[in-house]
Amino acid sequence: ETGVTQSPTHLIKTRGQQVTLRCSSQSGHNTVSWYQQALGQGPQFIFQYYREEENGRGNFPPRFSGLQFPNYSSELNVNALELDDSALYLCASSLLDYGYTFGSGTRLTVV
Amino acid sequence: GDSVTQMEGPVTLSEEACLTINCTYTATGYPSLFWYVQYPGEGLQLLLKATKADDKGSNKGFEATYRKETTSFHLEKGSVQVSDSAVYFCALSDASNAGGTSYGKLTFGQGTILTVHP
Repeated sequence: ETGVTQSPTHLIKTRGQQVTLRCSSQSGHNTVSWYQQALGQGPQFIFQYYREEENGRGNFPPRFSGLQFPNYSSELNVNALELDDSALYLCASSLLDYGYTFGSGTRLTVV
Repeated sequence: GDSVTQMEGPVTLSEEACLTINCTYTATGYPSLFWYVQYPGEGLQLLLKATKADDKGSNKGFEATYRKETTSFHLEKGSVQVSDSAVYFCALSDASNAGGTSYGKLTFGQGTILTVHP
């Protein structure tokens, strides 16, 4: 049973709109990362937050942004949605040497 | 940059057959290596990991050994079950890019679909 909860589970948006995806990590997990998984592909790293600051970013444009809050929850915001943004978005949190724990993801469809 | 290459799939086996899924990696530092499993419609679950050369990760009958000399981390299981049907991802994390945390970003392979028939 995962300790990382993501919401919503499914979402349909129109091209050009903005979306906010949410993640609730286990208490004490001070590192959270977001990944985009297109259909049939491996997850691609979007960015990572450590102690509420971004400390790593993948090859994604600035319209992908995030926040991490003191209660270990986090958000992924995507502006000006494009059709290619349709994917499963995964949140992962980690603590010390235990590795990453993934949530079940949010399935975003852009039409 | 870091990269992970998995064997071409999909893989179809009969129950109780032996499984090997090949994984090789390229990394500039000393990565930790992982196998994740993804069941239909779900997120990723950590299957096993190894953090240094010659370590063997194991879980639920699956094993993988961190081979630095061949830059490989092949997943093996001696007898698969129908319930093992899923997508398997090999991944690495290079702590040198961790920015103060214990783990940097995960770099994944493309995934291998495993189907086990009764």
